[in-house]
Amino acid sequence: KQEVTQIPAALSVPEGENLVLNCSFTDSAIYNLQWFRQDPGKGLTSLLLIQSSQREQTSGRLNASLDKSSGRSTLYIAASQPGDSATYLCAVRLADRGSTLGRLYFGRGTQLTVWP
Amino acid sequence: NAGVTQTPKFQVLKTGQSMTLQCAQDMNHNSMYWYRQDPGMGLRLIYYSASEGTTDKGEVPNGYNVSRLNKREFSLRLESAAPSQTSVYFCASSRRRRGSPNYGYTFGSGTRLTVV
Repeated sequence: KQEVTQIPAALSVPEGENLVLNCSFTDSAIYNLQWFRQDPGKGLTSLLLIQSSQREQTSGRLNASLDKSSGRSTLYIAASQPGDSATYLCAVRLADRGSTLGRLYFGRGTQLTVWP
Repeated sequence: NAGVTQTPKFQVLKTGQSMTLQCAQDMNHNSMYWYRQDPGMGLRLIYYSASEGTTDKGEVPNGYNVSRLNKREFSLRLESAAPSQTSVYFCASSRRRRGSPNYGYTFGSGTRLTVV
């Protein structure tokens, strides 16, 4: 069974810092990895999607890297802002294998607080 | 805007009552999913539908039924609600074909259900 772990569980930093959120997974036979943001009481917003053949993806101040062989991904947030405060979830999608049918496996998230 | 629409957003049920959570997507996605999110447990898959006409159990299917009404709509039914089903429910959809340009998931905004 795929296990996804996110470290740290919570992070509180002052505005302007560069941040690294970590995600690890046990089964390297993934098809892709997706980072989501979740604001309190809200749904999940997709931030970045990395295919298994890719090493990284960038969107604005966000950069996500993927090392499939070691089962790791990092989300880098540059010049953090209070508006970045949210929970960040990592999810991996296994290659379609009949019963799994491409389902997502989620980590429990990193709760980020950026204070002014 | 294109996306995944869930109704209702909030619901309070008494133990033993039944209800159906509705989900519709307008992105022509093949696959649809129902997750529940509980504090400390992360997101867990209840049921999924890989394509129109098929449904399969996920990690926590007990107490739920689903219907894939057509390609757009995937409903989740609680036949006899229990307090343990108090949770936030998310519907999601994705393309199934690997060659699709965006093989990621899109989530709805969630339904907050309380069973008293």
